[in-house]
Amino acid sequence: DGGITQSPKYLFRKEGQNVTLSCEQNLNHDAMYWYRQDPGQGLRLIYYSQIVNDFQKGDIAEGYSVSREKKESFPLTVTSAQKNPTAFYLCASSREGAYNQPQHFGDGTRLSIL
Amino acid sequence: AQKITQTQPGMFVQEKEAVTLDCTYDTSDQSYGLFWYKQPSSGEMIFLIYQGSYDEQNATEGRYSLNFQKARKSANLVISASQLGDSAMYFCAMREGKSFAGTASKLTFGTGTRLQVTL
Repeated sequence: DGGITQSPKYLFRKEGQNVTLSCEQNLNHDAMYWYRQDPGQGLRLIYYSQIVNDFQKGDIAEGYSVSREKKESFPLTVTSAQKNPTAFYLCASSREGAYNQPQHFGDGTRLSIL
Repeated sequence: AQKITQTQPGMFVQEKEAVTLDCTYDTSDQSYGLFWYKQPSSGEMIFLIYQGSYDEQNATEGRYSLNFQKARKSANLVISASQLGDSAMYFCAMREGKSFAGTASKLTFGTGTRLQVTL
């Protein structure tokens, strides 16, 4: 079945450590997105990518970095510069060029500070 | 100003009853799309229904329908015949501008409404 796979499901970060969240999709979607969700809040866009080797900052990109070397993969690195990284991270992808195409989401990664 | 406003942090509904979840939006674009997602306690986001700004009919998908009032800038989700499995967070989201090939469709989300279905 086609879908989006995020790993790991739970992740713990030590002070000063960079951690990388994985996102893989087999839906053949061009666009991919990373969102952050804090408790009781909506989703906020961190980074998005329209095509391989290209990505743009979202609303809260500071302290995060991404890469898009393959169409299927869009990993997110939470750097030590992100001082409040504890949150639920969701990856999504979508088809483009069609007005009504929804974003499809993975199951998320919960990141906590040790 | 908030682009998507969901004023009901929590709602209760009895099983088999209908419930309306409110969503108002703010945009100056003529072309936009409105989406509703369901988020169960497990965390995944499930797409429910879509309404385009040029759609003349209200969208429907099974037990879900959208009460779209363009002049009021509201896109309320109606769930008919509620089931216990409908208990979840519900998010309204908006994509502004036209969607062209090769462009990403950024979504702006509201803060959500937690729906609890009771016996």
